[in-house]
Amino acid sequence: NAGVTQTPKFRILKIGQSMTLQCAQDMNHNYMYWYRQDPGMGLKLIYYSVGAGITDKGEVPNGYNVSRSTTEDFPLRLELAAPSQTSVYFCASSVSDRGQYEQYFGPGTRLTVT
Amino acid sequence: AQSVTQPDIHITVSEGASLELRCNYSYGATPYLFWYVQSPGQGLQLLLKYFSGDTLVQGIKGFEAEFKRSQSSFNLRKPSVHWSDAAEYFCAVGPFSGGYQKVTFGTGTKLQVIP
Repeated sequence: NAGVTQTPKFRILKIGQSMTLQCAQDMNHNYMYWYRQDPGMGLKLIYYSVGAGITDKGEVPNGYNVSRSTTEDFPLRLELAAPSQTSVYFCASSVSDRGQYEQYFGPGTRLTVT
Repeated sequence: AQSVTQPDIHITVSEGASLELRCNYSYGATPYLFWYVQSPGQGLQLLLKYFSGDTLVQGIKGFEAEFKRSQSSFNLRKPSVHWSDAAEYFCAVGPFSGGYQKVTFGTGTKLQVIP
């Protein structure tokens, strides 16, 4: 199993540009998550999904959109990129939304908006 | 609301020395507790987790953590640190109740290992 994969690994965007961060998992997990990680701030949840066709906002959803058309894929869309979106983005998945289940993380996408 | 505090932003230890990373949580009941490790340029990997039962839990790579309800703590320990343990460590708490409940991550402790 590849686990959770993310592309690209690095990206530089200009202010106002848009892009999609790709995330895929091959573990047949229903639950998937997008986090952003800023220095000294830990992980903040952007969006999550409890299954294909079902998504919901996390703590910091503004400026982002998601879709979940299949169990495997959970892309994150940035519209009109802003410098405040410079961050490292992690996708994760879990077998359940219950608090006791670990999350499996991808390697991350480092995004710089200038 | 639940919260997690990792009071040490950065810790330096010598290779072979013992290690303790602190984690304090705030939650109304016994939560699920996790420690994750993030190696440079990598995603987070689960080290260990506590749900119930024995308050001393063993994890991968020789790590252990002890749940202390009276202190609301879940400190991570390792008796002898290796250079490969240099990484960032995150404590996390997940609620005990059902339905989707967000896992809250601490801000992380960066571990430096010196020869």
